[in-house]
Formats: sequence, structure tokens, C-alpha cells
Amino acid sequence: KNQVEQSPQSLIILEGKNCTLQCNYTVSPFSNLRWYKQDTGRGPVSLTIMTFSENTKSNGRYTATLDADTKQSSLHITASQLSDSASYICVVTRGSTLGRLYFGRGTQLTVWP
Amino acid sequence: NAGVTQTPKFQVLKTGQSMTLQCAQDMNHEYMSWYRQDPGMGLRLIHYSVGAGITDQGEVPNGYNVSRSTTEDFPLRLLSAAPSQTSVYFCASSYSGSGQGDGELFFGEGSRLTVL
Repeated sequence: KNQVEQSPQSLIILEGKNCTLQCNYTVSPFSNLRWYKQDTGRGPVSLTIMTFSENTKSNGRYTATLDADTKQSSLHITASQLSDSASYICVVTRGSTLGRLYFGRGTQLTVWP
Repeated sequence: NAGVTQTPKFQVLKTGQSMTLQCAQDMNHEYMSWYRQDPGMGLRLIHYSVGAGITDQGEVPNGYNVSRSTTEDFPLRLLSAAPSQTSVYFCASSYSGSGQGDGELFFGEGSRLTVL
């Protein structure tokens, strides 16, 4: 069964601290994996995309990793800011199915001052 | 550049009423889709379209209709609203005509629907 599981479900950290969000998937065949950030009351916005051959990709203070062998991805946030408070959604594309993306339920991150 | 525009942002309906959620994009994207987002659930695909005149069902299509007469517009119709359709609805588009995640999804700001 094609699934995307994210952990933790929610996370609270202090401003300036680092954190790591996890995404495990069973989607096959794998095409790519995206991390989206969804601010409260807004639509999701793409942070980064990981393809099969990529291990690490950075976007400012956000660094995504992918281990295609273990089917795991992580999103590391460095020196967190209050504006990082949001839901982070992992989305995996199944390579052979038209129009089929698999969404995780998201990790709700709260950054406290 | 407006991106993906959804209207209305908020709507309250009574059970049995019908309504249309509007979605328009100005990026000339082939792929458009509708999702619903419920607390504790991931985004779930309702319907999608890979081009004008072509639509298909997603994961949770029951109770919803769509049409795609132009590249720009992809309205979602609720035929007879039910309380189970209370949700936040997102329209998204992508340049990828295949609908694959090769193309980044661009989401609208969402439409919050309450059915009493």
C-alpha cells in the first residue's frame, strides 16, 4: 500500500533552536519527494524537491535529505525563527500513475520566543 | 502575477444547498486539481484535470462535480451539500500536464466551507 507517514505529529521548539522532521514512505515506484510549508490559513508552498539521485538539498535554513534505500526523508531547520511556525507536509510522487501524489498528514511546528 | 485564485474564501451552506467554488490560474498550467483538508488528515484529492475538456476523479469524488472548459478555470460544484463536506478546499495547479510531481503544485489560499 502506498503511504506517507510523518513524525512527529507536532513539535514545539524555542526560537533559535534546530529541529528535524521525518517522512517515511512506501510509495513505489518512486519519482520524487517534495516538502511543502503551510502557514496557518494559507495554501501550501513548496520548499524543496528531492529526486532519486539526490541525498541532500538546501534552501536557506531548510535542508532536506533523502535515503531512497530506506525510503526516508528528513527536513532539518536551522536556527528556527517565529516565522517557521507552520505545518510541514511531505508529498511523494508515484512514478507511473497519472495525477497521483501521496500526501503525509504533516508535522505542526510551533516556534516559541 | 496572481497565481491561483480561489473564491469565495468563506462560505456557510445549509444541508441540501448547492454551490460552486471557483478556481482560476494565470500561469497557463495544464494540470489543475481540487483537494480537501480536514483536521488530522492529509490533503485528499477530489478531482483533477490534465487539460481543457479532460477531468478525472481523485480519491474522494463523491458529492462533487467539476468541468474544465478553459485552461484558466476549474470550478468545483457541490450538488447537494452535506455536513460531511465541511472542510477547507484547496485548488492547485502545475505546469506538468501529466499531473506528476515533476511539476511543483501551486496552491490557492483555500476556501473554508461550513455545511449546517
